[in-house]
Amino acid sequence: SYELTQPPSVSVSPGQTASITCSGDKLGDKYACWYHQKPGQSPLLVIYQDNKRPSGIPERFSGSNSGNTATLTISGTQAMDEADYYCLAWDSSTAVFGGGTRLTVL
Amino acid sequence: EVQLVESGGGLVQPGGSLRLSCAASGFTFSNSAMSWVRQAPGKGLERVSGISGSGSRTYYADSVKGRFTISRDSSKNTLYLLMNSLRAEDTAVYYCAKSVPLTGYPQTYYFDYWGQGTLVTVSS
Repeated sequence: SYELTQPPSVSVSPGQTASITCSGDKLGDKYACWYHQKPGQSPLLVIYQDNKRPSGIPERFSGSNSGNTATLTISGTQAMDEADYYCLAWDSSTAVFGGGTRLTVL
Repeated sequence: EVQLVESGGGLVQPGGSLRLSCAASGFTFSNSAMSWVRQAPGKGLERVSGISGSGSRTYYADSVKGRFTISRDSSKNTLYLLMNSLRAEDTAVYYCAKSVPLTGYPQTYYFDYWGQGTLVTVSS
């Protein structure tokens, strides 16, 4: 079965750039999207179709997808961005989520 | 404003049943595919079931196939998940999610809105 691999944790200083990766076989041939989830809250879509931002998501969130890796980049990271981040892609009409990355803003 | 409100969760014994509901508003429910996604305590996300806007197509993860049934009532703008033969490993928060199709990729979606979730605990 298809798998997506994310680093368990990423740390970043306030104001710096955070990059969270999601790896899977030929992931660049699929669309990736990203969710942000704070403790006790529902997931929130922050990037869809590799690099599109839903209405209301700050411009500091961006995405890319090529080869075997999709990347979520948060520029000028703020304390409010501290959360778990999940990638999602589809394989044979099955949704596959990555295991999640905890972003810590130190 | 899109709103999805789940209900029906609770404590159930192994082998028991529950029916979850998701009341939708703020969008044309009958045109929208929907999904149920669950999250076990401290764990990641798993899409367990999905249904097309018309209700003619459904999807089940292998982990729930034959035990769970998804349905929808467009007259009530409500999505359902009937869960039978529940197991301890079904313990999770269950979210309903509005599903937007990806152009050019049949039966693939992104989930743009999620409800607040309802907790299902399977334990004796």
